[in-house]
Amino acid sequence: NAGVTQTPKFQVLKTGQSMTLQCAQDMNHEYMSWYRQDPGMGLRLIHYSVGAGITDQGEVPNGYNVSRSTTEDFPLRLLSAAPSQTSVYFCASSYSIVGINTIYFGEGSWLTVV
Amino acid sequence: AQKITQTQPGMFVQEKEAVTLDCTYDTSDQSYGLFWYKQPSSGEMIFLIYQGSYDEQNATEGRYSLNFQKARKSANLVISASQLGDSAMYFCAMREGGQAGTALIFGKGTTLSVSS
Repeated sequence: NAGVTQTPKFQVLKTGQSMTLQCAQDMNHEYMSWYRQDPGMGLRLIHYSVGAGITDQGEVPNGYNVSRSTTEDFPLRLLSAAPSQTSVYFCASSYSIVGINTIYFGEGSWLTVV
Repeated sequence: AQKITQTQPGMFVQEKEAVTLDCTYDTSDQSYGLFWYKQPSSGEMIFLIYQGSYDEQNATEGRYSLNFQKARKSANLVISASQLGDSAMYFCAMREGGQAGTALIFGKGTTLSVSS
């Protein structure tokens, strides 16, 4: 993948624990998003950002917080992990230029909440 | 109501055959974009092809083409001359309102299996 880095790649959490999934891109992209992928559900949008300091909710935001203090980073915070948050998480980024339609995805973060 | 519908949970095709993966969408926006992604078993999301709502011609990228029928709100992916490496999950996705950004609505996907 071209420049979208997600960490960690694998994580096991206990119910009630908090953690942050990190996403960083080095392409100076303004747009970034977080998705979760569950079996049979496709990818669902959690939160997205159109630039530093600007975030908005997607389809499934409950239980997650985001912030965008820099253009490069878009961390996803789980405040109190629940088994229902067991999923694969993808971060994505793109330019804000009309006509540029390439969206770069990270390699995914596998999260298990027990 | 689902905004992206992929009605084929699984498709089976033999090598060198063509295959069509169906996608219908629902939106009231005049400006939108349609994407197809491939997800192999390794899990990464691979961009295949894009069609803008105002594009007059169907998009093509190598062996991939998008059969865009705006009035029917369908955006089917056609893979010509299937290869074993095409075995993967395929997702149709839509970006509404505006022509940039990463906020996509995904379908549930179609699993394609290519046999020799």
